[in-house]
Amino acid sequence: AQSVAQPEDQVNVAEGNPLTVKCTYSVSGNPYLFWYVQYPNRGLQFLLKYITGDNLVKGSYGFEAEFNKSQTSFHLKKPSALVSDSALYFCAVRGFNDYKLSFGAGTTVTVRA
Amino acid sequence: NAGVTQTPKFQVLKTGQSMTLQCAQDMNHNSMYWYRQDPGMGLRLIYYSASEGTTDKGEVPNGYNVSRLNKREFSLRLESAAPSQTSVYFCASSTSTGGEAFFGQGTRLTVV
Repeated sequence: AQSVAQPEDQVNVAEGNPLTVKCTYSVSGNPYLFWYVQYPNRGLQFLLKYITGDNLVKGSYGFEAEFNKSQTSFHLKKPSALVSDSALYFCAVRGFNDYKLSFGAGTTVTVRA
Repeated sequence: NAGVTQTPKFQVLKTGQSMTLQCAQDMNHNSMYWYRQDPGMGLRLIYYSASEGTTDKGEVPNGYNVSRLNKREFSLRLESAAPSQTSVYFCASSTSTGGEAFFGQGTRLTVV
């Protein structure tokens, strides 16, 4: 069975500092990996995805993520966090040729001014 | 282009009542999904439909049924609502296995 783990419930950083949100996954075969963000009382917004190719994926709002096959990880990063990045972040995985899309429990990011 | 539309946005049910949550997408996507979101538990997959005419159970299907009415519409039915089904429900759709999912705005359901 496929699964996603987000080991940190909360991440707190100061504005201007680097932001990292961790994600590890388990899936049969090659993975499709996704990051989403959710602002209060809103639906989920897509940030970026890894399908194949370059292990460093760039997405919306200055976010990027690094795929590491040996560590089965897909950590989300932003070099310089903004207060407006405060939100709930979800990592998701889908197996190759599989339509089932599984999400992690989410990580709440708080960026203080 | 509305994307993924869910109705209703809010609903209060009494224990034992039934209701259907509606979802429609206008992006010509093949795959559709129903999730529930509970604090600290992330999004848990209830049912999904890889394509028109097919449905599969997700992680938490008990107490729910679904219908893929056509390519656009995927409904979720609670036959006999229970307080444990109090949650926020999200519908999503995607083009293929490698495509990102697009989400509706959610339905906040309270069962009393």
